[in-house]
Order: sequence, then C-alpha cells, then structure tokens
Amino acid sequence: AQTVTQSQPEMSVQEAETVTLSCTYDTSESNYYLFWYKQPPSRQMILVIRQEAYKQQNATENRFSVNFQKAAKSFSLKISDSQLGDTAMYFCAYRTQGGSEKLVFGKGTKLTVNP
Amino acid sequence: DGGITQSPKYLFRKEGQNVTLSCEQNLNHDAMYWYRQDPGQGLRLIYYSQIVNDFQKGDIAEGYSVSREKKESFPLTVTSAQKNPTAFYLCASRPGHMDSNQPQHFGDGTRLSIL
Repeated sequence: AQTVTQSQPEMSVQEAETVTLSCTYDTSESNYYLFWYKQPPSRQMILVIRQEAYKQQNATENRFSVNFQKAAKSFSLKISDSQLGDTAMYFCAYRTQGGSEKLVFGKGTKLTVNP
Repeated sequence: DGGITQSPKYLFRKEGQNVTLSCEQNLNHDAMYWYRQDPGQGLRLIYYSQIVNDFQKGDIAEGYSVSREKKESFPLTVTSAQKNPTAFYLCASRPGHMDSNQPQHFGDGTRLSIL
C-alpha cells in the first residue's frame, strides 16, 4: 500500500520569505499523481498544485512550486514571498492512476506566516 | 456556480443513533468519495463510488454505510456501530477515468460530535 510522510508537523516563516515543506512517499507504481492541498482554519480543502509522475518538469503555480524527485520519492512544496493568507495546514497527497483513484494523505504540516 | 454542498455543517449524535451526512454535487462528476479527518491526522477514505448504484469500501468503512442512487448525491450514514464517530467529514468528487488527470474537489465538510 502507498504511504505518504510529512516529517514537519509545524513550521513558521516570516512574511515575504520563502519556505519549503517536505513530503516523501512510498509506492511500487510508475504512474501516479501527487498533490499539495491547503486547509485554512475554515477547514476547506483547497488544491494548491499537482504533479504527474510521468512529467519530469516541476509544476509551478504562481508563488507555489514543487521539487519532484521521482527516484528519491520526494515531493516538496516551496512557497515564495509568503503571505499571511498562506497560514494553513498543508497536506501532501498521492493518487494512483486507475482503480479507485483515491487520495492517500500525509498527516499534514501546520504553516504559520508571521507578520 | 458548480460545486459540492455538504450539510449540515455541524451535527450531533446521541448514543445508539444513526445519523446521515448529505453530499450533493452539480459538477457532473462520476466519482464521489467520503473522507474522515481526525485531529493531527490526514484524511482517511471511508467509502467511494465511481458510478451510480455502485460503491466500494475504503480503508475505514466499519460503522458507516452509503448509497449512490443518483449521480449528484452520495449520502453517508454513521451508524451506532461506529463507536468513535467524532471527527470532521469531507466529501469529494472528480470526473471519471476518462479524465484521470483531474483532481478531486472537496466540499466544506461536516463536523460530527457526540452528545
């Protein structure tokens, strides 16, 4: 079974600085998807960024980018120019291609952006 | 606007009582999912359905039941057999297998507590 590990339960960063959240996963599959979701205090799950395993190019979405290392099974999220609104829980998730296509989540990293 | 509606936002259960959480989507998605979130944990899959009139158990299905009589609706019943139902419940949906690169979209969640 696939597992996702987020080794940083909590992190903090100063406004306008850059922070990187770590995620590793375990799988024997070659085709899959990886996601970062943000959960602010409102508890809504918001998609931040996604990466297809077959793509070597790292995904970017405005201030958010990933460092995808397939061989190392690592999928870190970099947030540039951190804003107060980035304060949230961040979850890394893995999804198989085909089958149930369920999401397997890590336990999350609580990020606090300080003014 | 298209989206996923979960109701109620807060729900209280008495001992021995069954309660039903509603999930409705107008995104024309084939697949729907129920996840449970406990404090300090990521989301865990309870049940999923990839097509009307069919559903499958997830990782923690004991004490729960679902139905999928309509494409738009995927209600979750928390039965009296679920001894620790206090949690935050999230419903999600996504297009079917033909759109495998599409992410899951989430509702705003239901907070269930024991009286």
